[in-house]
Amino acid sequence: GQQVMQIPQYQHVQEGEDFTTYCNSSTTLSNIQWYKQRPGGHPVFLIQLVKSGEVKKQKRLTFQFGEAKKNSSLHITATQTTDVGTYFCAGRTSGTYKYIFGTGTRLKVLA
Amino acid sequence: DAGVIQSPRHEVTEMGQEVTLRCKPISGHNSLFWYRQTMMRGLELLIYFNNNVPIDDSGMPEDRFSAKMPNASFSTLKIQPSEPRDSAVYFCASRVAGGEDTQYFGPGTRLTVL
Repeated sequence: GQQVMQIPQYQHVQEGEDFTTYCNSSTTLSNIQWYKQRPGGHPVFLIQLVKSGEVKKQKRLTFQFGEAKKNSSLHITATQTTDVGTYFCAGRTSGTYKYIFGTGTRLKVLA
Repeated sequence: DAGVIQSPRHEVTEMGQEVTLRCKPISGHNSLFWYRQTMMRGLELLIYFNNNVPIDDSGMPEDRFSAKMPNASFSTLKIQPSEPRDSAVYFCASRVAGGEDTQYFGPGTRLTVL
């Protein structure tokens, strides 16, 4: 079955450093979404990518969808303590409603 | 809008007892999802409904789990009988099919089975 892996599993950074998490799918995706889950909270939608090679930015966050639509990345520039949480990608294949969530990357930012 | 509402927020029960988790999706949303989150297995899709009809229940662990959506504003996930390995956070999410496809998650129910 379809699998979505993320690396790294954990990342500790000093405040102000950059952070990147990578998402890899075993199958070609129709689109991919990114979510953030704060400690003790619930996943909150960040963005959706649909096109091959697409790049989207939200302030300090940059999201990229690979050319083959099997991988994606999230890059945070100059992390802040408010960026703490777990970042999940979720991929959907064509013809299905279902999103498969990645394993998540837990980010800790040290002040 | 109040967002997706789940109840109870916390549930502690003993093995063998029946557990019912409840979800009220966002008004106007026509798709509803039940997820389970654990440290070991991450965020797993259990079942999803479209227009109140179960479309895919392949993620439901076993016959002890059942889900219903009697109308557009209410869904339940029932575990009978519960087992300690069912301990997890259960999330309900809703969305409007098509468009941005955003899933809006509820606050979750933290279930502990002793």
